[in-house]
Amino acid sequence: DTAVSQTPKYLVTQMGNDKSIKCEQNLGHDTMYWYKQDSKKFLKIMFSYNNKELIINETVPNRFSPKSPDKAHLNLHINSLELGDSAVYFCASSQAAGRGGYTFGSGTRLTVV
Amino acid sequence: DQQVKQNSPSLSVQEGRISILNCDYTNSMFDYFLWYKKYPAEGPTFLISISSIKDKNEDGRFTVFLNKSAKHLSLHIVPSQPGDSAVYFCAATSGSRLTFGEGTQLTVNP
Repeated sequence: DTAVSQTPKYLVTQMGNDKSIKCEQNLGHDTMYWYKQDSKKFLKIMFSYNNKELIINETVPNRFSPKSPDKAHLNLHINSLELGDSAVYFCASSQAAGRGGYTFGSGTRLTVV
Repeated sequence: DQQVKQNSPSLSVQEGRISILNCDYTNSMFDYFLWYKKYPAEGPTFLISISSIKDKNEDGRFTVFLNKSAKHLSLHIVPSQPGDSAVYFCAATSGSRLTFGEGTQLTVNP
């Protein structure tokens, strides 16, 4: 019973395609996040949702669109994939936004070819 | 503009010795600091944290020290064990945002 689960774990796709990554948490947390770890290993926040409402929207291309159907789910849809989108994407959740104790998923390695 | 910096990309220590991982920050609005540990092909896992009103927090073999005037924090692991080999991320919060450093790869040699 994984606390934060994201699927798929690996995703290889061609440039120009549209893909989605799904995330679900069973911890009852109110806040969920998407982080991107690039080739330089930096972990950078992309989006944060609190009770289905967007609270952080970093400067990411409009091709990235998060969707939170309920507070236990935060999906990431990416349109028109580019080579530079290749990275590991981590979903996370926390009870109180910004108070640490984030629980991360195991990551989705996206490779755009 | 990297507000949380870990200047050592890697650190190697002998089993049983102390590991000291360092982190510097620039944003004086950060009010909570955390360390995360990450194994390959897994997500980061929360290790230990410290509030900005404290200067030390200890949990078993792990101790975090905070020097607010220097905007510096460190994680001490003693004694180090081979299972501690992982990437360690320093992180800091301001409001609802958690900002990570770039990580330090710790290798503990048997």
